[in-house]
Parts: sequence; C-alpha cells; structure tokens
Amino acid sequence: QSALTQPASVSGSPGQSITISCTGTSSDVGAYNYVSWYQHQPDKAPKLVIFDVNRRPSGISHRFSGSKSGNTASLTISGLQPEDEADYYCCSYTTSSRGVFGGGTKLTVL
Amino acid sequence: EVQLVESGGGVVRPGGSLRLSCAASGYTFQAHGMSWVRQAPGKGLEWVAGLNWNGDTTTYGDSVKGRFIISRDNARNSLYLQMNSLRAEDTALYYCAKDASYIGLDLWGQGTMVTVSS
Repeated sequence: QSALTQPASVSGSPGQSITISCTGTSSDVGAYNYVSWYQHQPDKAPKLVIFDVNRRPSGISHRFSGSKSGNTASLTISGLQPEDEADYYCCSYTTSSRGVFGGGTKLTVL
Repeated sequence: EVQLVESGGGVVRPGGSLRLSCAASGYTFQAHGMSWVRQAPGKGLEWVAGLNWNGDTTTYGDSVKGRFIISRDNARNSLYLQMNSLRAEDTALYYCAKDASYIGLDLWGQGTMVTVSS
C-alpha cells in the first residue's frame, strides 16, 4: 500500500487561507468517505482535526474544513493563525480494511 | 481523565522481540476499535495495525504483516502490540490511538520509543 501524496510544504500569512491536497487511488481515498486529517506539532501527540472527509471533532475550530473529489481529498484552513503551524497528515481507510497515511505537509505561518 | 498511556518500549537487537502495551482510561474501551501508528525519526506517520472492538478482526500494514500481532483485553482496558523479528527500520515512536470512525483516530497516547540496534 503506497502512501498518499501530499505537498511537502505550504505557507501562508496570518489571516489567509491555505489548502493541502491529499491524492490517493480508487482503493483508498476514492473508495469511501473515510479520510481524516491530523495536526502534529513538535513533542505533542497527533491531533485529529477532520474525520469522515468533512466532519470536525468537538473542540476543533470552524476554520478547519475538509472536502473530497474523486481520489483527492483536501484540508482548508482559513484565517491562518500562528498556532496553526505544524505538520499535517491525511489518512484514508482502504478497500483492504487498512489505514494509509500521506507523507505529511509542513505548514509555515509567515 | 480520558487518556491512553503506552509502555514497553526500549532498545532491542535485530531479530529480537518486544511487547508494547497501551492502557486506556476515562471512556468505554470495549466500544471502539484501536490502532497502532508509528513515526520513525525524521519521517512521517505510518499506520501499523488495527483491530475492531472485540479483537476478532485485525489488519496490518505491509511492512509489519507476519511479524507483528495486535491484540486487546477489554477486561483490562488494554491494547497490545507483539513485535517479533524486529528490524532496524522498525525503530520509531509507537502511538496507540482510539478509532472514532474508520481511521478517524480521535485519542492518542504520548507514544513509546522502540530502538532496534545491535
């Protein structure tokens, strides 16, 4: 199972919006609406920010949103804040009942 | 407090074995599937293994299939990962995580470090 494809890095200024893409195949991202996104900051456990493509867990800001089209999922963060700086990972459920992560995207808030 | 606490990490020689544990508290452990996820030094997250609420369905990533065994004891609110035939490339921080949905991992532990080295 190959890792999902994410851009290595994205950046934006405070207040701006950014979008991170996550490209898979018809056996993972395209198969089900089971894509999740994680924020991972240094020395902290990963934090779920989106699950089931576009659902936000309790306590996650409305600035985080998710979508999917075909084999590509996307995470959008609006109104960027300095505390959003982190690595972001997508993850998909697959047709073989496994999980597969993307390679991760480093978000820099300029 | 709702939390997961991993233990059992350490240094092991190539070819050796190690058993990781994950103690859950503050929620109904037996109601949810669980996963192990790892992060090698300087690398990204990798899904390792998962199982359903009662442990009768288990799945593994290709890199560990046939060497690792995931299991749970609902009476003890505990998750386990038996790691055999360890390789240098298994060196990583291992996290246990609770499944809120299919690979929607909404609760994570702080991780336990495994180093495979001679």
